[in-house]
Parts: sequence; C-alpha cells; structure tokens
Amino acid sequence: ELKVEQNPLFLSMQEGKNYTIYCNYSTTSDRLYWYRQDPGKSLESLFVLLSNGAVKQEGRLMASLDTKARLSTLHITAAVHDLSATYFCAGPTFGGGADGLTFGKGTHLIIQP
Amino acid sequence: GAGVSQSPSNKVTEKGKDVELRCDPISGHTALYWYRQSLGQGLEFLIYFQGNSAPDKSGLPSDRFSAERTGGSVSTLTIQRTQQEDSAVYLCASTLSGGGGEQYFGPGTRLTVT
Repeated sequence: ELKVEQNPLFLSMQEGKNYTIYCNYSTTSDRLYWYRQDPGKSLESLFVLLSNGAVKQEGRLMASLDTKARLSTLHITAAVHDLSATYFCAGPTFGGGADGLTFGKGTHLIIQP
Repeated sequence: GAGVSQSPSNKVTEKGKDVELRCDPISGHTALYWYRQSLGQGLEFLIYFQGNSAPDKSGLPSDRFSAERTGGSVSTLTIQRTQQEDSAVYLCASTLSGGGGEQYFGPGTRLTVT
C-alpha cells in the first residue's frame, strides 16, 4: 500500500521567489497527481504525471516525476499571492489502475507580498 | 458541463443518528470515489465504484459505513449510528473510465456530529 510524504508541510515565501515542494512515495507507482485546495473549497486537479521523466507546466507551476527515485516535485517560479493554497500530491493506493488515491499531508503555502 | 455535485453541502446531526450523503458524478464517468478529509487524519480514501460494483470495501472506517451506487450514476454513502469522530468533510470524485485518469472532485459534504 502506497505511503506518500510531502515536505515541507508549511511554507511561507515572498512574492517573486522560487521554491520547490517535494513528494516522496513508498512503492512503485505508475502515476502521480498534484492537487490544489483553497480554504473551505474542494480539490482542484493541477497535474497528472504518467511516466518516468514526465514534466508538465502550467503558468508558474511545473511538476516532474522520477519513478526510479520515487520522487515528484512541484516547482513554483516567481511566486504570486494567488498561488497561496494547500498543495497535495497523491498516488494510486495499490499501484495503478482504477485505484483510490493516497494523499500526502499537504503543503500549506503562504505567499506574502 | 456540470461537475461532480454533492448533497447536502452541510449536515449537522446528533450522535447516534443515521445520515445519508449523496454524490452525483460527471455524466458518463464510470468510476466514482469517496474520500473524507479531517484535521486529524488528512485525506483518506474510503471506497470506489466501477459501474455499480465496489471491488474493495476495506477502506471504509467501520461497519457503520456503507455505500451503494445505482444505475452507474448516483452514489450514496450511509453512516449509521454516527459518532463524533465521523465529523469530517466527505468528498466524492469521478473519472471517465477508472483507468487511473484525472479524478474530478465535488464540493464535499461537511458533516458535524454533535
């Protein structure tokens, strides 16, 4: 059964800076997901990474997947206040297919002007 | 098109009562998932349906929890004899075919057991 560990769990940063959130997972997984959650809201899908070496970018966010290292990263470039949210990574609980997802504890990101 | 919808959005119930939570997935999505989110436990996967069938119910927290899906569409999550530890946000998600694609989440039902 998959275990997912994110770090940091809390991050306060200034606008304009770059930073990376790390997501380590415990067993072989063929895919990795990133979600965003705003306070009091549901989960918004950001990226689905489906293969080793996959890299996806949307605006100031870029996600990558290294299945050999069992590591995914979410990189924030030139942060802006609107990116303040909690970010979760997740993977299929039993390795693939139509699994439910196991989520990390989330990274609470605050971007200050 | 319409996203995943859930009802009610908020539910306050007394300890010991039964509650029923409803999820209406995106039209045409064959796979449906239930999760709950609480401060203490984070996001937990509870159960998923492929069509009307739930292959694995081991994620349900106790035998007070049950779920069903009919007609390959709407699903209900029922909690019997609610306890205070059942207080959480219950989230539903759906995917097109259940092959591991993107899961689209509903707005959730906030359950408070007093």
